[in-house]
Amino acid sequence: AQSVAQPEDQVNVAEGNPLTVKCTYSVSGNPYLFWYVQYPNRGLQFLLKYITGDNLVKGSYGFEAEFNKSQTSFHLKKPSALVSDSALYFCAVRGRRGKLIFGQGTTLQVKP
Amino acid sequence: EAQVTQNPRYLITVTGKKLTVTCSQNMNHEYMSWYRQDPGLGLRQIYYSMNVEVTDKGDVPEGYKVSRKEKRNFPLILESPSPNQTSLYFCASSFGGAGSNQPQHFGDGTRLSIL
Repeated sequence: AQSVAQPEDQVNVAEGNPLTVKCTYSVSGNPYLFWYVQYPNRGLQFLLKYITGDNLVKGSYGFEAEFNKSQTSFHLKKPSALVSDSALYFCAVRGRRGKLIFGQGTTLQVKP
Repeated sequence: EAQVTQNPRYLITVTGKKLTVTCSQNMNHEYMSWYRQDPGLGLRQIYYSMNVEVTDKGDVPEGYKVSRKEKRNFPLILESPSPNQTSLYFCASSFGGAGSNQPQHFGDGTRLSIL
């Protein structure tokens, strides 16, 4: 069965420090992987995607993600966190019939 | 501005009273989908549509209906809402069909409370 796991409910980091939000997936074949961010009372905003090619993908707002096929992981990273990065982050994989299969979400808290 | 628009944003209603949540996109996207978001469960797909007059069930379709008479609109219908349909609902759209690698664009959500 296709699935996505985000093992941490919450990640806390100090402003200026690097951040990592973890994601692992289970899907047959080559995955289309996505990261989205959700701010309070807003919809999900697309950050970046992995389709094929380079394992390091760069996206919006300075975020990047590293695809690791052997570990079936797609961790979201940022070299220097901002307080304004505090939000709910979702990892997703495109499944059958075009649906996005989401992880449970990880709350990122960046403290000044 | 490219966007997915949902209405209403908030609704409190009672069990059994039919309601419709509208969704409209201005990007000429073929693919549209409805998701519900519940704490600890992430988002789950309710229904999707590949194009006009082509719709199919997602993972949690019970108690919901949809239609796709025009490319831009994809309303979600709850014929007889029940309390277990209290949730946050999102409409999304993207270019291409089911195999597309294009990201889905999301509306701002509709928070439904069924008493």
